[in-house]
Amino acid sequence: EIVLTQSPDFQSVTPKGKVTITCRASQSIGSNLHWYQQKPDQSPKLLIKFASQSISGVPSRFSGSGSGTDFTLTINSLEAEDAATYYCHQSSSLPRTFGQGTKVEIK
Amino acid sequence: QVQLQESGPGLLKPSGTLSLTCAVSAGSISSSNWWSWIRQPPGKGLEWIGEIYHSGSTNYNPSLKSRVTISVDKSKNQFSLKLISVTAADTAMYYCGRGVDYWGQGTLVTVSS
Repeated sequence: EIVLTQSPDFQSVTPKGKVTITCRASQSIGSNLHWYQQKPDQSPKLLIKFASQSISGVPSRFSGSGSGTDFTLTINSLEAEDAATYYCHQSSSLPRTFGQGTKVEIK
Repeated sequence: QVQLQESGPGLLKPSGTLSLTCAVSAGSISSSNWWSWIRQPPGKGLEWIGEIYHSGSTNYNPSLKSRVTISVDKSKNQFSLKLISVTAADTAMYYCGRGVDYWGQGTLVTVSS
């Protein structure tokens, strides 16, 4: 089973600040890494697929990069509505797995 | 845009069987996608349960494989989850999804005597 480890577990950032979340895979997963945003009492929403592919309707301040075992989600110019928990997810091999989540708080 | 809607009992007794259905609209379950079930215990992270292709081919999480069955009903454009011998540890929000892109709103299942 591929283990995804996110860091940090929690981040508190001021509005207009920058957020960087990393996701490290226990073995190479190519670009089969996806990022989700989950707000309280909502289902996860896809932000980035296949490491760096943008999703229609997702603000351009969200971007992803990486391949192999190391991946990054970047949120530029943080807005209040970005307060949420962010998860990475791999679809490279079975069983599919998720990172433990990173909670982003707005200061 | 594809929409998915989970349905099923919200309260189960221990040792019972969890049965959920995911209705797919604005899209065909016979499309080239895997259809999945994911769960999230209250206040915790996401756990992948398993997935099915419209042909009936399935993949399951080894941690649940002995208790899980996922099936598809193409005539109703839906797929289902069955989890037997439930315990309190199975209490969670259950989501159905298409590939990596579309998820349902989820349904809360509580296991309690």
